[in-house]
Amino acid sequence: EVQLVESGGGLVQPGGSLRLSCAASGFTFSDYWMVWVRQAPGKGLVWVSRIKEDGSEIHYADSVKGRFTISRDNAKNTVYLQMNSLRVEDTGVYYCGRERWGFPEHWGQGALATVSS
Amino acid sequence: QSVLTQPPSVSAAPGQKVTISCSGSSSNIGRSYIFWYQQFPGTAPKLLIYDTDKRPSGIPDRFSGSKSGTSATLGITGLQTGDEADYYCGAWDTSLSAGVFGGGTKLTVL
Repeated sequence: EVQLVESGGGLVQPGGSLRLSCAASGFTFSDYWMVWVRQAPGKGLVWVSRIKEDGSEIHYADSVKGRFTISRDNAKNTVYLQMNSLRVEDTGVYYCGRERWGFPEHWGQGALATVSS
Repeated sequence: QSVLTQPPSVSAAPGQKVTISCSGSSSNIGRSYIFWYQQFPGTAPKLLIYDTDKRPSGIPDRFSGSKSGTSATLGITGLQTGDEADYYCGAWDTSLSAGVFGGGTKLTVL
């Protein structure tokens, strides 16, 4: 059974940083692209970033380009999202997913990141 | 403002059929697979339709997906009160080199 467990969320001030992790199990992690999607409170889904199986290809939404960095450690079956220069509008639940054509096939339960002073 | 356009809400009676539209452009829906998700309050989204018209195992055949040009449609037949949820479409945008979602549609089963 595919399992994805996010961690690392929390409260941070504007301009601060957070690092989200997503631990995967139940499939061969190194065979799949991985993706992050976020959802602001009461709002819709927003695509954030994706990373290729070996980390050699990465894409970002314009809204996070230059501030967020996606990475992965295939030895640890984990994908990360380093979020810097955080803004109030980055507040929301961040979901990781095992990806298919850019979109999650399987979703984690989400990690809440709150950016507030 | 979402790149893909969905109606904010749709409604229908139990047992009836409803369709949810998702409108885009030639750089996304026009040339990419479509994904549909169902989300209940306080929970993670669930994949309903992938590759435009395929259902994951466990998703009943009451749910269907289709595409024509730059628009996609999610169909739900035999509506049940348990289908009340938010529904989102998604597609890869080749111009943005990023995924894009619709703004979501709230389904009410009257």
